[in-house]
Amino acid sequence: AQKITQTQPGMFVQEKEAVTLDCTYDTSDPSYGLFWYKQPSSGEMIFLIYQGSYDQQNATEGRYSLNFQKARKSANLVISASQLGDSAMYFCAMREGRRGSARQLTFGSGTQLTVLP
Amino acid sequence: EAGVAQSPRYKIIEKRQSVAFWCNPISGHATLYWYQQILGQGPKLLIQFQNNGVVDDSQLPKDRFSAERLKGVDSTLKIQPAKLEDSAVYLCASSPSRQASTDTQYFGPGTRLTVL
Repeated sequence: AQKITQTQPGMFVQEKEAVTLDCTYDTSDPSYGLFWYKQPSSGEMIFLIYQGSYDQQNATEGRYSLNFQKARKSANLVISASQLGDSAMYFCAMREGRRGSARQLTFGSGTQLTVLP
Repeated sequence: EAGVAQSPRYKIIEKRQSVAFWCNPISGHATLYWYQQILGQGPKLLIQFQNNGVVDDSQLPKDRFSAERLKGVDSTLKIQPAKLEDSAVYLCASSPSRQASTDTQYFGPGTRLTVL
């Protein structure tokens, strides 16, 4: 079974609009972390935002926020006020295990976001 | 703070040839990861080091891939001999491995390998 599912291969959004990128996950571990990364065409993976399974509030980092619905096992990324530079591939990833344990990240297949002028 | 460095950025080789990639993690980061990213997919972990010891190499094709992290700092990943299906971007990442809730992994720019 897929541990991380991103059902939107591609998304389009108008500049200055908000966009939500979907991510669902599957784990039986009560302790886990969820990450979103951005990968522009240059290839580097850029860390955007993190949500821990025990965090009570949704994570926010500037224009990025994470809509964490634990019961539904979803961790959608919301980008507000989209900019042309946001056009990139976006990956959702999960790390299972206790806090601080050096466990591997499992990535989804990604969503290609295109911001239209 | 300098990021994760990787070289070369691009490499083209013929099948059955050998190739090596180099990675220098962020200073002070104890954990180093090598990922393989095939076009259109998310990265897949090949091997994880904690200092100079291997933590996880369960997905490393050991008949042709090898990696080392001597002295617990920089690392090399080698493919010998290469196959067509090894064409991918090879990403190196590092993390502090502090006892913190995030322990975020920071990635280098990657090496794009094309096997002809």
